[in-house]
Amino acid sequence: GENVEQHPSTLSVQEGDSAVIKCTYSDSASNYFPWYKQELGKRPQLIIDIRSNVGEKKDQRIAVTLNKTAKHFSLHITETQPEDSAVYFCAATISGGYQKVTFGTGTKLQVIP
Amino acid sequence: DTEVTQTPKHLVMGMTNKKSLKCEQHMGHRAMYWYKQKAKKPPELMFVYSYEKLSINESVPSRFSPECPNSSLLNLHLHALQPEDSALYLCASSPTGHLNTEAFFGQGTRLTVV
Repeated sequence: GENVEQHPSTLSVQEGDSAVIKCTYSDSASNYFPWYKQELGKRPQLIIDIRSNVGEKKDQRIAVTLNKTAKHFSLHITETQPEDSAVYFCAATISGGYQKVTFGTGTKLQVIP
Repeated sequence: DTEVTQTPKHLVMGMTNKKSLKCEQHMGHRAMYWYKQKAKKPPELMFVYSYEKLSINESVPSRFSPECPNSSLLNLHLHALQPEDSALYLCASSPTGHLNTEAFFGQGTRLTVV
């Protein structure tokens, strides 16, 4: 089955700095890579996603890159704000009528004001 | 309506009890999922229903019994649970026939087995 590794497990940055979270996956059949943000006690919420036919996607302060050959994908958050503090999960998805989602182990991001 | 609604939000049950978790969505999604999330861990897939048929059972113990009565509802029946089953149970849904789309998560049911 799919295996997704995520690093780092914790990340502290000063407000205004950038944060980068990296993931690797094992199954070349994975074709969709969402990133979820989960605040304490709340549901995971999609913040950005990328499909396997795209190398990079940006949405305001958030960007994701995908290297299919190396099976790597990364989340970049610029100009971090205290409200960015949360746990971030990458995921690799095999789509075939339904989504078989495998989550990474999570990164706890703390933005220090 | 772009929400997945789960009830109850919190549940405390004894090891001999029988209870059910409920999940509802009205987005026309025909794929629905149950995940289990322990503290400080990622969600783990338990079951997938596609067009009201069980498509994936990730080797979940039989004390968890899913049911999909119609395209909008998903239940998880619980019986003879163990304390280690205490966790956040998340329901999700996604469109079918559309590749590469996100799964929408409910707020979860926080289950405590005593």
